[in-house]
Amino acid sequence: QSALTQPASVSGSPGQSITISCTGTSSDVGSYDYVSWYQQYPGKAPKLIIYDVKNRLSGVSNRFTGSKSGNTASLTISGLQAEDEADYYCNSYTTETTYVFGTGTRVTVL
Amino acid sequence: EVELVESGGGSVKPGGSLRVSCTTSGFNIDKAYMNWVRQAPGKGLEWVGRIKSKSDGETTDYAEPVRGRFSISRDDSKDIVYLQMNSLKSEDTGVYYCIAVRFSDWFFFDYWGQGTLVSVSS
Repeated sequence: QSALTQPASVSGSPGQSITISCTGTSSDVGSYDYVSWYQQYPGKAPKLIIYDVKNRLSGVSNRFTGSKSGNTASLTISGLQAEDEADYYCNSYTTETTYVFGTGTRVTVL
Repeated sequence: EVELVESGGGSVKPGGSLRVSCTTSGFNIDKAYMNWVRQAPGKGLEWVGRIKSKSDGETTDYAEPVRGRFSISRDDSKDIVYLQMNSLKSEDTGVYYCIAVRFSDWFFFDYWGQGTLVSVSS
């Protein structure tokens, strides 16, 4: 099971919107609406922000939006803020009853 | 409050074995599917494996790189989950996180431990 493909880095200015893509296959992202997104700050454990493609965890800002089309899922951060600077990972359940993470994206706020 | 605390990490030589533990509290572990995820230094997250609940047969699944070398077990009476790692390789080095998926129809990781560092080096 190969890792899902994410851009290595995405950057934006405060207030702008950015989108992180997560491309898989028909065996993972394309098969289920079980895509989740995690935010990780340096030296910290990851935190769930989006589950089941588009559901925000309670307490997560509505600036975070998840979506999916075919084999590609996306995370959009609108109104970019300095605190959004972190690493982001997607994850999907697979047809092999395993999970696979994305390669990870470093978000930089300019 | 849900809490997961990993322990047992440390340094081991290639080919060696190590068992790390995850002590849980604040939720009913009986129903939970317990997962392990690792992160090599400076690298991304990698799912390692999962053990289902006792009522679902304690079935295990593993990622291909660790299949046949790692095994996950659980002791619900002690609220503990174990990750037994054998035939360790340098590429197994990283922080190992324990994760609870509290219900069988959930497919996301909402509670993570703080992680325990495993270093495989000669």
